[in-house]
Amino acid sequence: AQSVTQLDSQVPVFEEAPVELRCNYSSSVSVYLFWYVQYPNQGLQLLLKYLSGSTLVESINGFEAEFNKSQTSFHLRKPSVHISDTAEYFCAVKQRGSTLGRLYFGRGTQLTVWP
Amino acid sequence: GAGVSQSPSNKVTEKGKDVELRCDPISGHTALYWYRQRLGQGLEFLIYFQGNSAPDKSGLPSDRFSAERTGESVSTLTIQRTQQEDSAVYLCASSLEGRSNQPQHFGDGTRLSIL
Repeated sequence: AQSVTQLDSQVPVFEEAPVELRCNYSSSVSVYLFWYVQYPNQGLQLLLKYLSGSTLVESINGFEAEFNKSQTSFHLRKPSVHISDTAEYFCAVKQRGSTLGRLYFGRGTQLTVWP
Repeated sequence: GAGVSQSPSNKVTEKGKDVELRCDPISGHTALYWYRQRLGQGLEFLIYFQGNSAPDKSGLPSDRFSAERTGESVSTLTIQRTQQEDSAVYLCASSLEGRSNQPQHFGDGTRLSIL
């Protein structure tokens, strides 16, 4: 079975500061890794994903995440946040090659950016 | 529309009543998922449909919960004899194919409140 741990339930930061949202996973098999973002009263939107290849993946709005196999981590980072980045962020894993299509989610991290 | 559509967006009902939630996936997506999101928690997997295969019902919390899908189109999630602990946001997602690395696309959810 897979499990995902997001170590911080809330992360408050000031605008233009850097931020890191932590994600660790536990799995006995290889996984695909995802970060989703959820704005108030909306569904989840895919932010970025790691499938294979380069361990550093980037999104179009300045976020990046690095897959670290030895530490089973997939932390999300942004060098300079904006107020519009305020949202809940979810890390998720999916088992490679499985007939089961489900995602396993962490409990989420609420990022709040203050002016 | 181009995205996953869910209805109703909000539902308030009395304890003991039955409710039916609807999901229209993205056209061409063979995989469909239902998740439940309780306040302050991550997403809890409920059920997964893949084409004409038998659905993965392993996440349904009790026999009061059931779901159907007509071919590769609309799905309905039914909760019978609702209880207050059923209050949550119910999210539907679809993907091109569930077993691969295709990301899941989410609807905006149905916010269910049991009085």
